[in-house]
Amino acid sequence: DAGVTQSPTHLIKTRGQQVTLRCSPKSGHDTVSWYQQALGQGPQFIFQYYEEEERQRGNFPDRFSGHQFPNYSSELNVNALLLGDSALYLCASSPPRQLYEQYFGPGTRLTVT
Amino acid sequence: TQLLEQSPQFLSIQEGENLTVYCNSSSVFSSLQWYRQEPGEGPVLLVTVVTGGEVKKLKRLTFQFGDARKDSSLHITAAQTGDTGLYLCAGARWNNNDMRFGAGTRLTVKP
Repeated sequence: DAGVTQSPTHLIKTRGQQVTLRCSPKSGHDTVSWYQQALGQGPQFIFQYYEEEERQRGNFPDRFSGHQFPNYSSELNVNALLLGDSALYLCASSPPRQLYEQYFGPGTRLTVT
Repeated sequence: TQLLEQSPQFLSIQEGENLTVYCNSSSVFSSLQWYRQEPGEGPVLLVTVVTGGEVKKLKRLTFQFGDARKDSSLHITAAQTGDTGLYLCAGARWNNNDMRFGAGTRLTVKP
């Protein structure tokens, strides 16, 4: 049984560009949450998707947007990249009715130059 | 300001020693989780505590949730080099779907 998978593993972008990160949840999970983890910090909640809708959003600007597909996979889009967007982006999935039982993927390391 | 404060920020000990790390907040949580994260990987869930005063044991790891549901501790007995990693606590607040993480305690266990 595959766990949470994320792609790509690493990504280098230039300031001002746009990026799309992808996440496939663990089998049987229906909720996907995205986090940003800066170096030396804990993960910061970006948003959570359930039933293809954004259910909750953290303190991130509108440049950060997402999507959830009918198969529960999800995308995180970031527009107009800033140097400060450089971080590890983590996706976590949860099983039905157990929101706080989160399983994390290995993350995508984004570097903005 | 972090909603969850973890201490110490860094901890370096010898194999075989005992240690305790702490997770404190002024907020009340409906549940609290502990994760371990290794370099280049996502956090791995160790335990979820949901009842004030609850104590859970996972082999050499003992987790406690404070009576007031505002704090938690993780105690490791006879640390091993494989315990090295970043230990993160995360709390879920009532009627709120997001998990708030602390900044973590980076533990190094030397042979």
